[in-house]
Amino acid sequence: GNSVTQMEGPVTLSEEAFLTINCTYTATGYPSLFWYVQYPGEGLQLLLKATKADDKGSNKGFEATYRKETTSFHLEKGSVQVSDSAVYFCALRLLYNNNDMRFGAGTRLTVKP
Amino acid sequence: EPEVTQTPSHQVTQMGQEVILRCVPISNHLYFYWYRQILGQKVEFLVSFYNNEISEKSEIFDDQFSVERPDGSNFTLKIRSTKLEDSAMYFCASRREAGDGNEQFFGPGTRLTVL
Repeated sequence: GNSVTQMEGPVTLSEEAFLTINCTYTATGYPSLFWYVQYPGEGLQLLLKATKADDKGSNKGFEATYRKETTSFHLEKGSVQVSDSAVYFCALRLLYNNNDMRFGAGTRLTVKP
Repeated sequence: EPEVTQTPSHQVTQMGQEVILRCVPISNHLYFYWYRQILGQKVEFLVSFYNNEISEKSEIFDDQFSVERPDGSNFTLKIRSTKLEDSAMYFCASRREAGDGNEQFFGPGTRLTVL
């Protein structure tokens, strides 16, 4: 089936540290891949996306590259800030299925000053 | 900036009671969704809705669940007889149109607690 597995948290980093949150997927067909972020008390917000192999999504200093050979979409940021503290969800959607998104379990990131 | 809103933010109910979770999608959106997240677990797709009918539903969305768009703005999720295991965060989402470039916008969620 179609699913996403992401690195378990929680992750605690100091400000300006390098962040990696691993995400791998299993899919039949050609999925689009997403990272969503959930700040405390808020809904899920799209952080970045990639719709085909080798695409790199980027936003707010975060990046993720769609790697078909390793079925991965790892989230990275070179220097995290306290304001990046949130829960991060990796997700996929099949190319020809407009309805069903599959999410990972979420990774809670806490950045300390 | 337009956003998806949900009410209430927290609903507490007794097992066996009916609950209705309300969502107001973004006004020009055509596709509507409900997801749930049991505490500490992944976000799970429940149902999608387009053109006044369910277009897809997951195995979670059994006969106890129903959705409705009673007017031009609200999109509701009803659970007829709640069970303890229905306790979760429920997210509504909407999308303007089909197509890979169109993202789903999520509401802040309603936390349902079944006692």
